[in-house]
Amino acid sequence: GAVVSQHPSRVICKSGTSVKIECRSLDFQATTMFWYRQFPKQSLMLMATSNEGSKATYEQGVEKDKFLINHASLTLSTLTVTSAHPEDSSFYICSARDRGRGATPLHFGNGTRLTVT
Amino acid sequence: DAKTTQPNSMESNEEEPVHLPCNHSTISGTDYIHWYRQLPSQGPEYVIHGLTSNVNNRMASLAIAEDRKSSTLILHRATLRDAAVYYCILRDRSNQNTGGFKTIFGAGTRLFVKA
Repeated sequence: GAVVSQHPSRVICKSGTSVKIECRSLDFQATTMFWYRQFPKQSLMLMATSNEGSKATYEQGVEKDKFLINHASLTLSTLTVTSAHPEDSSFYICSARDRGRGATPLHFGNGTRLTVT
Repeated sequence: DAKTTQPNSMESNEEEPVHLPCNHSTISGTDYIHWYRQLPSQGPEYVIHGLTSNVNNRMASLAIAEDRKSSTLILHRATLRDAAVYYCILRDRSNQNTGGFKTIFGAGTRLFVKA
C-alpha cells in the first residue's frame, strides 16, 4: 500500500533554533499534503495544506512565518518550525493523498515528536 | 469544525466484536464517511470508507444507516492490537479531484481492549 515517510521521528532542539521536518510520499504522487499538530491526549489539529508548486494554505491561528511549509515536488513537503519555543513541543504529523485516484484515503506519516528545551 | 460525534471511549473484551458508532446528522450528499485509527505515538492509519452501501475489508466492516446520518465501524474480533483511538471523518468528494479538501479530526473514540 501507499507509504508516507516522515523524518525525523524524534528531535530535541534548543529554544530559538529552527527544525525542519520532511514528509515524502514513497510510491505515489501527492499534489496536496496536510500538516497536523497533536498535543498529548488531544486530537489532531490541522495546521496547513501544502500544495505542490504554490503557497501553503494555513488554518486560522497558525502563524505562517513561524511554520514555514515548502512543497517543491510531487513527493516532498517540508515543515520548518522557526525560532522554536517550548510551547512548540508537540507531535507533528503529515498526510498525503494519491492524486491519481478518486475518493482515496489519506496516508499518514508516523509523526515527528518535537521537544524544545 | 468536525461534523461527527463519537463516544469518548469504549471497552471491549478480546476476541469479541466491537461496534463503534458515529453520528453525522449534517452529512451532505457529497460526503464520504472515512474511518481512521491511531495507535499510541503513531500517525493515523486508514481503516475503511464508504458512501452509501455497507463496506467490508480485511480490517473491518462499515455499516451505514439508510439516511446516512450515522454509521458504525465493526471490528469482528477485537485483539489487543486494536486498542487505539478511532476517528470517524467526513470527506467531501466534490473536491476530490482538486486534491485540496481538508480532513478535520474530531475527538474520536478511545477503544480499550481487555485480555
